[in-house]
Amino acid sequence: DARVTQTPRHKVTEMGQEVTMRCQPILGHNTVFWYRQTMMQGLELLAYFRNRAPLDDSGMPKDRFSAEMPDATLATLKIQPSEPRDSAVYFCASGFRTGVPETQYFGPGTRLLVL
Amino acid sequence: AQSVTQLGSHVSVSEGALVLLRCNYSSSVPPYLFWYVQYPNQGLQLLLKYTSAATLVKGINGFEAEFKKSETSFHLTKPSAHMSDAAEYFCAVSDFRGPRGSQGNLIFGKGTKLSVKP
Repeated sequence: DARVTQTPRHKVTEMGQEVTMRCQPILGHNTVFWYRQTMMQGLELLAYFRNRAPLDDSGMPKDRFSAEMPDATLATLKIQPSEPRDSAVYFCASGFRTGVPETQYFGPGTRLLVL
Repeated sequence: AQSVTQLGSHVSVSEGALVLLRCNYSSSVPPYLFWYVQYPNQGLQLLLKYTSAATLVKGINGFEAEFKKSETSFHLTKPSAHMSDAAEYFCAVSDFRGPRGSQGNLIFGKGTKLSVKP
C-alpha cells in the first residue's frame, strides 16, 4: 500500500531555530506539493515541484522558507528562522500528472509548534 | 480567479440520516472539482472528482456529488450517515487549462466538519 511519508510527525521548537521537514512521495509520482493548514487560513499551497523542478513557490514567505527536492524520493521544506506564526500542520502530497489535474495523495502531516 | 465556498463550517446529522455538504465554486473555465476527506490527525484523502465526464460522480464510502453548472455547485451527499463518516470534508476546484495554460493546482474551501450523532 503506497503512501506518502513525512518526518517528523511532531516538532516543538523555539523561535529562531531552523526547522526541516521531510517528505517521501509515492514512488513513480512526478508532482510534489507542500501545503500548510491552520485554523484561520485553512489549507494553503506553499510550493510544488514537477519532475523535481520547482514550478511555483509563490505561497511561501521567501525570506524564511525554502523547498527543495534533492532527488525523486525526497522533498524538504525548511524554515529558518522559525517564528510562532509558523505553527501549523504542514502536509506533503504527491501525484502523477498526465494531462488533467492529478489525484493528490497526502501524507499524515508534520505538526509544528514554534514557541 | 478560482474560488470555493463551503456553506456551513459544521454540520451535524443523526446516524442513518441524509448527509448533504454544500459547495459552490467560481471558475472562469470549465472546472475540475474534487471532494477530499480528512479524518482526525490524518492527511486528506480523495473521495471523488469531477473531470467533465458524467455530472453525477460516485466516490468511495457511498458518497456522491452532482455537478450543476447552472448553479455553480458540487454538493456532496450520502443517503445514510454512519458514525465512521465523522470527519472534515473539503471541496476543491482546479483551473487546469491544458499544457500551455494554468497548471491547475487545487484551491480548497475552508472545510465542513461533519458530526454524526448516534
